Amino acid sequence: ETGVTQSPTHLIKTRGQQVTLRCSSQSGHNTVSWYQQALGQGPQFIFQYYREEENGRGNFPPRFSGLQFPNYSSELNVNALELDDSALYLCASSLTSGIGDEQFFGPGTRLTVL
Amino acid sequence: AQTVTQSQPEMSVQEAETVTLSCTYDTSESDYYLFWYKQPPSRQMILVIRQEAYKQQNATENRFSVNFQKAAKSFSLKISDSQLGDAAMYFCAYRRRSGNTPLVFGKGTRLSVIA
Repeated sequence: ETGVTQSPTHLIKTRGQQVTLRCSSQSGHNTVSWYQQALGQGPQFIFQYYREEENGRGNFPPRFSGLQFPNYSSELNVNALELDDSALYLCASSLTSGIGDEQFFGPGTRLTVL
Repeated sequence: AQTVTQSQPEMSVQEAETVTLSCTYDTSESDYYLFWYKQPPSRQMILVIRQEAYKQQNATENRFSVNFQKAAKSFSLKISDSQLGDAAMYFCAYRRRSGNTPLVFGKGTRLSVIA
């Protein structure tokens, strides 16, 4: 059973650019959640995808968008990057089955915006 | 909105000793989960222990146990026989029980283990 993987590991961008982060969910999982973890903070929920549809969103602007593919992998896109977007981006996969769906985290992508 | 508060930014413990990390939360829900996650320098968030709010018995996983006080909305983590590998950031998190809802995290406690 493969765990959750994320790519790339590290990324450096400049303000105003666009970035795409990728997440492969754990085998058998159908839901991916994305979190932003700023330095010294706990993760903050960005959004969740279930069966290729956005299924919940946190307090993030529309320039944060995502996709989920038929194999349940997912992308997080951020347009018009700002300095405050520098953070660790975590994805977590789970199997939505009704109640108590445990989320399994990937190792994260460290994004630095200069 | 639910909130999770961890009032200890940093803690330290001697190897083989016991340490307790504190967490309080606020919610109007009655059915939920509480979690402790460990995040070592490798950044991977690892689930340490989970408590279901409807269960009165405190969860235990080997050297890790919790003290869940539902009325006080308190959820502390006790680590017994601390090991060097326990050094990490520890996050307390909350989730509503129904559906696949997102986790709400505290700001974390950095635990150092002194040899």
